[in-house]
Amino acid sequence: AQSVTQLDSQVPVFEEAPVELRCNYSSSVSVYLFWYVQYPNQGLQLLLKYLSGSTLVKGINGFEAEFNKSQTSFHLRKPSVHISDTAEYFCAVCRRGAQKLVFGQGTRLTINP
Amino acid sequence: DAGVIQSPRHEVTEMGQEVTLRCKPISGHDYLFWYRQTMMRGLELLIYFNNNVPIDDSGMPEDRFSAKMPNASFSTLKIQPSEPRDSAVYFCASSLTPGQGMGGANVLTFGAGSRLTVL
Repeated sequence: AQSVTQLDSQVPVFEEAPVELRCNYSSSVSVYLFWYVQYPNQGLQLLLKYLSGSTLVKGINGFEAEFNKSQTSFHLRKPSVHISDTAEYFCAVCRRGAQKLVFGQGTRLTINP
Repeated sequence: DAGVIQSPRHEVTEMGQEVTLRCKPISGHDYLFWYRQTMMRGLELLIYFNNNVPIDDSGMPEDRFSAKMPNASFSTLKIQPSEPRDSAVYFCASSLTPGQGMGGANVLTFGAGSRLTVL
């Protein structure tokens, strides 16, 4: 079975500062990896996904993530955050060929002015 | 496209009452998922359907929970009788079969959720 660990439950940063949200996964088989964002009182929206190929994946709103197979990580980064990035971010894993997404516990990103 | 539509957005009920949550997936999507989100347990997959057929209901907590998908455009999640520990946000999500335009991966589109409070 697959599992996801998001190492930080909360990350406070100042506006325009860089941010990294950490995600590690566990799986004995090849997987797809995702980051979703949840704004207050809304459903989850896809930020980006890693399927294959280049390990650096670019998503919406200036976010990017890097797949590191040896470290089983898929950390999310943004070089300069904005107040509007305040949200909860979820890392998710899915076994290749399967349909079930397993989500991490989420990281709450708070941007301070 | 209006996206995944869930109703009601908020439901407050008393313990022992029946609760029915509804979901309309994106037209053309052939997978439908029900997730539950709580502070303690995060996002848990309850059940998912493919072409209206339940594929995996191993996440359904107990017999009080049931889900149906009578047609491609409608699904329900029912709790009977409801208990305070069922209080959560319930999300419905839909997707296309992997390979149909999304690079071989199952990319979910979520609804806005139904917030259930059982008193």
